[in-house]
Amino acid sequence: DVKVTQSSRYLVKRTGEKVFLECVQDMDHENMFWYRQDPGLGLRLIYFSYDVKMKEKGDIPEGYSVSREKKERFSLILESASTNQTSMYLCASSTPDSYNQPQHFGDGTRLSIL
Amino acid sequence: GEDVEQSLFLSVREGDSSVINCTYTDSSSTYLYWYKQEPGAGLQLLTYIFSNMDMKQDQRLTVLLNKKDKHLSLRIADTQTGDSAIYFCAESGPSGGGADGLTFGKGTHLIIQP
Repeated sequence: DVKVTQSSRYLVKRTGEKVFLECVQDMDHENMFWYRQDPGLGLRLIYFSYDVKMKEKGDIPEGYSVSREKKERFSLILESASTNQTSMYLCASSTPDSYNQPQHFGDGTRLSIL
Repeated sequence: GEDVEQSLFLSVREGDSSVINCTYTDSSSTYLYWYKQEPGAGLQLLTYIFSNMDMKQDQRLTVLLNKKDKHLSLRIADTQTGDSAIYFCAESGPSGGGADGLTFGKGTHLIIQP
């Protein structure tokens, strides 16, 4: 089974802090994704990555950056956290080897910015 | 852009069938997915259907796809209390689920009444 692990289930940070959310997958997947989930808005794509050191903006990249130094790890960075970034963050991975490979999700990180 | 619409709530009695509906706008979608999210957890892939199919059955789950009307449904037979969750419909776009971010609906809360 694919295992996608997010480093923290719950995180509380202060406004203005630099925040790192970590995600690791163990299936050698090329593609990795970061979403945020908010009530009434569903899931929205922040950034994704096709390969090491490659990144692409999703639908809502403002206020975020990402890092993919190793294939198994994809980090989401909040450069200067703000209260409107309080949300549930979900990481996912997939492989492009065949088109029927769906995205596999981690358990999520619930981030609160005070 | 792409859009995926779902009802926000569905209430059914234990033992009845649940039918969760979804409409989407991107006619070039290669795959359509159903994910389940239990409280406090990430998204779990339930099933998916390739766009050239009109039905897929997997134990208690039946997926129906009407590509002409861009309508997807998930039927859960003999609904149990453990089926209580949020169900997300998602579409892949033309690249298939592995190569790009998915577009999600806002999720349907399935409520099971005793």
